[in-house]
Amino acid sequence: AQRVTQPEKLLSVFKGAPVELKCNYSYSGSPELFWYVQYSRQRLQLLLRHISRESIKGFTADLNKGETSFHLKKPFAQEEDSAMYYCALIRDNYGQNFVFGPGTRLSVLP
Amino acid sequence: KAGVTQTPRYLIKTRGQQVTLSCSPISGHRSVSWYQQTPGQGLQFLFEYFSETQRNKGNFPGRFSGRQFSNSRSEMNVSTLELGDSALYLCASSLQGSYEQYFGPGTRLTVT
Repeated sequence: AQRVTQPEKLLSVFKGAPVELKCNYSYSGSPELFWYVQYSRQRLQLLLRHISRESIKGFTADLNKGETSFHLKKPFAQEEDSAMYYCALIRDNYGQNFVFGPGTRLSVLP
Repeated sequence: KAGVTQTPRYLIKTRGQQVTLSCSPISGHRSVSWYQQTPGQGLQFLFEYFSETQRNKGNFPGRFSGRQFSNSRSEMNVSTLELGDSALYLCASSLQGSYEQYFGPGTRLTVT
């Protein structure tokens, strides 16, 4: 069965420190993976997807098929990065059948 | 461009009743997905509609149903409500061929 795990419920780092939000998945086919973010009092929104290989707000994520991981990284955390982060996998590459991980709350301390 | 809207924003129902939630997607978006979000289970996919047809369905009982209208607006219905149906119900829309979902603010359903 397709599954996304995020081992940390809460991650606290100091401003300027590197941050890595972990995501592992189980999927039998070729996965399409995403990171969604929800800032305080805002809606859930797409942060980045692996296929685009871009850096958004300084965040990058690399798909490692050998380790079935899609960790989200940023070299220097900012206070405005504090939010809830969800890793997500799309099933079957048809339609919008997403599987979301449980989420990690990132808190960037001043 | 107006975002995804959901009505009502808050709802309190009694066990055994039924409820209908509404979602208006971004103009031009034909795909609408529904999710249930709870503290224990997180975000769980309910179903997706595209051009008035259910294209994908999650693992929820038949009490959960939905439909989409010709203007892409979507409704979901939950019959015979149970206490465990208390949750935030999120709707998301997307353009055809895009995996970027735009989420609504959600409808908070409380079943007593």
